[in-house]
Amino acid sequence: GIQVEQSPPDLILQEGANSTLRCNFSDSVNNLQWFHQNPWGQLINLFYIPSGTKQNGRLSATTVATERYSLLYISSSQTTDSGVYFCAVERRGTSYGKLTFGQGTILTVHP
Amino acid sequence: SQTIHQWPATLVQPVGSPLSLECTVEGTSNPNLYWYRQAAGRGLQLLFYSVGIGQISSEVPQNLSASRPQDRQFILSSKKLLLSDSGFYLCAWTLVQQGGELFFGEGSRLTVL
Repeated sequence: GIQVEQSPPDLILQEGANSTLRCNFSDSVNNLQWFHQNPWGQLINLFYIPSGTKQNGRLSATTVATERYSLLYISSSQTTDSGVYFCAVERRGTSYGKLTFGQGTILTVHP
Repeated sequence: SQTIHQWPATLVQPVGSPLSLECTVEGTSNPNLYWYRQAAGRGLQLLFYSVGIGQISSEVPQNLSASRPQDRQFILSSKKLLLSDSGFYLCAWTLVQQGGELFFGEGSRLTVL
């Protein structure tokens, strides 16, 4: 199956700092999503981004499908950004919604 | 707008007991439905998915089963729980005609003792 690797596994920031999270995948994809898992476990959709660049407030994401990676940028981080960030991909040729998740990046933002 | 609900939110069950987790989607019709599990650690694993009433595909052989008795209802079951069934179970939905973006419910945390 497709492999999804996220880096770094853990990240500690001071409030106000910027960060970049990376997701590498081993095969062509139909779909790539970034999620934030909050302390209660809920997965919050951040971006649906199989290719290109999107921005939503302080967050932006870029996927370069031909080179099989995606980046999530967090600017001016806040304590509420803490949690686990997951990249998930749907390998080309598979059915919709069959996502393979990376192991996540645990982000801790200190005040 | 579409919403998805799961229940119960938390469950503590003895080994060998049965299990039933329910998931309902509102505000849409004919969604694809999914059950994922997040074990200790961080990654999520797809367990079952359904493209329609009565249509279930299993991704991982295990002690669990799934059913879809109605268009917007998805149920995860077990006849006899194992310790290894402990974990965080998440239901999800997508609409193929909207490109396949996946949306998750709040999750059900199961502890088997």
